[in-house]
Amino acid sequence: AQRVTQPEKLLSVFKGAPVELKCNYSYSGSPELFWYVQYSRQRLQLLLRHISRESIKGFTADLNKGETSFHLKKPFAQEEDSAMYYCALNDIGPGGYQKVTFGTGTKLQVIP
Amino acid sequence: EPEVTQTPSHQVTQMGQEVILRCVPISNHLYFYWYRQILGQKVEFLVSFYNNEISEKSEIFDDQFSVERPDGSNFTLKIRSTKLEDSAMYFCASNLQGGEQFFGPGTRLTVL
Repeated sequence: AQRVTQPEKLLSVFKGAPVELKCNYSYSGSPELFWYVQYSRQRLQLLLRHISRESIKGFTADLNKGETSFHLKKPFAQEEDSAMYYCALNDIGPGGYQKVTFGTGTKLQVIP
Repeated sequence: EPEVTQTPSHQVTQMGQEVILRCVPISNHLYFYWYRQILGQKVEFLVSFYNNEISEKSEIFDDQFSVERPDGSNFTLKIRSTKLEDSAMYFCASNLQGGEQFFGPGTRLTVL
């Protein structure tokens, strides 16, 4: 069964410090991985996906199949980055259905 | 930019009562999903829906739950006889096929 693990419930960093939110996964096939972000009182929204390999709001994430990890990184944290971050794994089945398995989430708190 | 909408934003009900949570997915999307998030816990997949039928459901989605697309725009989640443990945020999501799912703002269900 697929599983997503985010070991940290809370990560506090000072503004300007580097950020790394950890995510490890377990999946038998070729994974499709995402990071979703939920700002205070807002809906879940996609931050980035490993397929596109793009950088959004300064965040990047590299899929490491050897370590089964998809850690989210940003070199310099900003106060507006404070939010809940969810790592997610997409399972695409026959007919194109999808089932997203979420990690437990990490609350990022950027201290001014 | 089109968004997924959900109503109501907050629903309070008595244990044993039926509730219907409503969602309007993005108009050209084909796949629809419900997730729930119990307070302090992770987002959990409930069900996916495509071509007017359930394509996948989790063990949480038992006989008390049902989904329906009664017309061309709405997508509903019905809980027949609510229990205290059904109290949670319920998120609707939709997408075309593959990749990012677009989430609604959620409905907070409180069962008394």
